Amino acid sequence: GAVVSQHPSWVICKSGTSVKIECRSLDFQATTMFWYRQFPKQSLMLMATSNEGSKATYEQGVEKDKFLINHASLTLSTLTVTSAHPEDSSFYICSARDRGFSLAGYTFGSGTRLTVV
Amino acid sequence: AQSVTQLGSHVSVSEGALVLLRCNYSSSVPPYLFWYVQYPNQGLQLLLKYTSAATLVKGINGFEAEFKKSETSFHLTKPSAHMSDAAEYFCAVSDPDGNEKLTFGTGTRLTIIP
Repeated sequence: GAVVSQHPSWVICKSGTSVKIECRSLDFQATTMFWYRQFPKQSLMLMATSNEGSKATYEQGVEKDKFLINHASLTLSTLTVTSAHPEDSSFYICSARDRGFSLAGYTFGSGTRLTVV
Repeated sequence: AQSVTQLGSHVSVSEGALVLLRCNYSSSVPPYLFWYVQYPNQGLQLLLKYTSAATLVKGINGFEAEFKKSETSFHLTKPSAHMSDAAEYFCAVSDPDGNEKLTFGTGTRLTIIP
């Protein structure tokens, strides 16, 4: 089945530094990838939608200059949290949609727990 | 705009008892509906999906859900709960004619009582 590999699974960084999270589709081509943020005991909030080769579409209230998304290939999308602050600490999850869109839906990565100290 | 409402943020059932997790949707067009399960510090795993075919959908791990248009519901059930079912469950909706992004409910934490 479709697999999405997300790395790292957890990361601790100092305030003011940048962190990059990678999301790879291992056995399918992902034309569209989605990035979510999840606070403890809460639901997933969509941050942005990225399409291969084009700029990401950000949801209202999400700072595009702070959360940089790159979708340079059909198998890789990255989320970079720039100048991270403690309030950026959260669980980030990516999701990819198959190019063929077999209605299998959306395959999720295993998530990245970001802690900013 | 589409949305889903999950009634009950916490549900507790005894091992072996029926599991019922409620989800109601709001959509201007016939939606696609999904149930996902999330274990601690992990991503989401698809349990089942409704995509306008059969209204009774069977998923993995013995779960099933029934799409009821008249009630705008897509409740998740399992006849007999197992300890391993303890997790967070999310209902999600997608507009097949839109940009196809998922909108999630607030989630239901299922606890299994031994």
